[in-house]
Amino acid sequence: AQTVTQSQPEMSVQEAETVTLSCTYDTSESDYYLFWYKQPPSRQMILVIRQEAYKQQNATENRFSVNFQKAAKSFSLKISDSQLGDAAMYFCAYRSAGSSQGGSEKLVFGKGMKLTVNP
Amino acid sequence: NAGVTQTPKFQVLKTGQSMTLQCAQDMNHEYMSWYRQDPGMGLRLIHYSVGAGITDQGEVPNGYNVSRSTTEDFPLRLLSAAPSQTSVYFCASSRILSSYNSPLHFGNGTRLTVT
Repeated sequence: AQTVTQSQPEMSVQEAETVTLSCTYDTSESDYYLFWYKQPPSRQMILVIRQEAYKQQNATENRFSVNFQKAAKSFSLKISDSQLGDAAMYFCAYRSAGSSQGGSEKLVFGKGMKLTVNP
Repeated sequence: NAGVTQTPKFQVLKTGQSMTLQCAQDMNHEYMSWYRQDPGMGLRLIHYSVGAGITDQGEVPNGYNVSRSTTEDFPLRLLSAAPSQTSVYFCASSRILSSYNSPLHFGNGTRLTVT
């Protein structure tokens, strides 16, 4: 079974600075997808960024980028120019790219990390 | 486009009571699922469905039942609520194909307290 580990339960960053959130995962599969979700105090789950395992190029979405190291099974999220609105819980998640049978759409989540942004 | 709609947003139950958490989506998604979120535990899969009439268990299914009579609806039933079921519950849906372009869409969650 796949597992996702977020080893840092909390982090803080100064507004306008850069912060990196770490995530490691364990799988025997070669093809899969990785995601970062943000959960602000409103409780809504918001997709931040996603990465396909077979793509070498790291995904970027505006101020958010990932460092995907497939051999090391590492998927860190970098937030540049941090803003007060970035304060939230962040979850790393894994999803198999297997067949459409057997519920391969299931996401396996890490335990989350609380990010505080200081003004 | 409403997306994934969960009701109620908050609920308080006494131990032993039953209730149904409702989930509906209007995106014609084949895949629907229920997660529970507990502090320090992340989100854990309770049950999921890959289409009408098809359901299966996730990581933490005990104490919960589901059914999928239509593509749109995927209710979660607690037959006899226990304090251990105090949690925030999320419904999520997506297209059936495991696709980069088909991420999970989440509802806004239901906070359930069992006393």
